[in-house]
This record gives sequence, C-alpha cells and structure tokens, in this order.
Amino acid sequence: GQQLNQSPQSMFIQEGEDVSMNCTSSSIFNTWLWYKQDPGEGPVLLIALYKAGELTSNGRLTAQFGITRKDSFLNISASIPSDVGIYFCAGRGADGLTFGKGTHLIIQP
Amino acid sequence: NAGVTQTPKFQVLKTGQSMTLQCAQDMNHNSMYWYRQDPGMGLRLIYYSASEGTTDKGEVPNGYNVSRLNKREFSLRLESAAPSQTSVYFCASNQYRLQPQHFGDGTRLSIL
Repeated sequence: GQQLNQSPQSMFIQEGEDVSMNCTSSSIFNTWLWYKQDPGEGPVLLIALYKAGELTSNGRLTAQFGITRKDSFLNISASIPSDVGIYFCAGRGADGLTFGKGTHLIIQP
Repeated sequence: NAGVTQTPKFQVLKTGQSMTLQCAQDMNHNSMYWYRQDPGMGLRLIYYSASEGTTDKGEVPNGYNVSRLNKREFSLRLESAAPSQTSVYFCASNQYRLQPQHFGDGTRLSIL
C-alpha cells in the first residue's frame, strides 16, 4: 500500500520565523493536499496541488508538488501565533487518499 | 452554511455497548467518508460512500458498519464497542472522490 512520511513530527519556532515541512511517498501521487487542524476541530484544507512541479500560494503559505510526484513541501513565511496547530499532508494515488501523520507546529513567545 | 455536522461531539461508552455516530452535510456532496484519528497515526479511512446508495470499506473497517441514509447523511455504527475503538472520529465529504474533502469537527469517543 501507499506509504507517506511527513516530517518533521514537531517544530518549535519563534514568532516571525519561516517554517518548512515536507512529505515523501513510496508511490506516485496524482494530487497533494495540505490541511491544518486546530485543537478540537477538524482538518481544514489549505492548499491543493494537481500537477507535478506546481507551486501554489495561499497568503503566507506556499506549497509545491514535487517533480518526481513522490513528494511535496509546505512553507509558512513570517509565522504568527495563529499558525499553531497540526499540519497534515495527504496524497492521492492508485490506492486512494493517504494522510501523513502530521507536523505539530508550536510557536514560542 | 454549516458544512459537515457531526453529532455527538463527545461520548463515553462501556465495552460492549452500541452507538451510532451521525454525520450530515449541507453542500449537496455526492461522496462521504468516515475516518478515525489516533495519536501518531494520522487519519485512517474506515468506510466511504462514493454516492447515495453505495458504501465501501476503507483501511480499517473491522468493528464498524455504515449507512448512507440519503444524500445528506452518513452514519457510523459500533455494534459492540471495544477499548481499541477509543478515538476521534471525523466525517468528511466532497462532490466527487477526486476533489479535496471537507471535514466535520469530530466526535471524541472513549470506551471504558
């Protein structure tokens, strides 16, 4: 089955710093999705990527669909306190949609 | 616009009890999904319904049953709850299976 590795597992950063996280897969994916989950809530879609090499921005967030179709990254620029949460990648391949285990983003004052 | 609504938000059960988790969406979506979320495990698909009248097993279907009651509603039933089913359950929907899913806020279920 599809295996998806998301890293890092957690990040402790200072407010104002840039953040980078990524997901790699053992299989080729046709779609990459990035979600954010706040405590006590469900995941909310941030960015959807549909083509290899695609680079898409949503405000301070930028995500890219890797050329090999086996990876994707998410960058957050100039982090702010409300960026705290769990970020999930999800890839759609032959076996359907697979979610990463999440990156916990913690912002230190 | 409520999106995906799950009830209840919290529930505590004893081992062996049965329970139905409810999910309703008001976006006229064709496809609906049930996931469970456990620490360190990400989201794992239990069952899905690609369209009204159809249901299919996901990655972890054992111990669960589902019913696509109509286009809006998709319920998840635990016939005989076990402690291993303690988890946060999320319902999601999308217009078609290849589109991004929209999630509810989850049901936090504890089984003692």
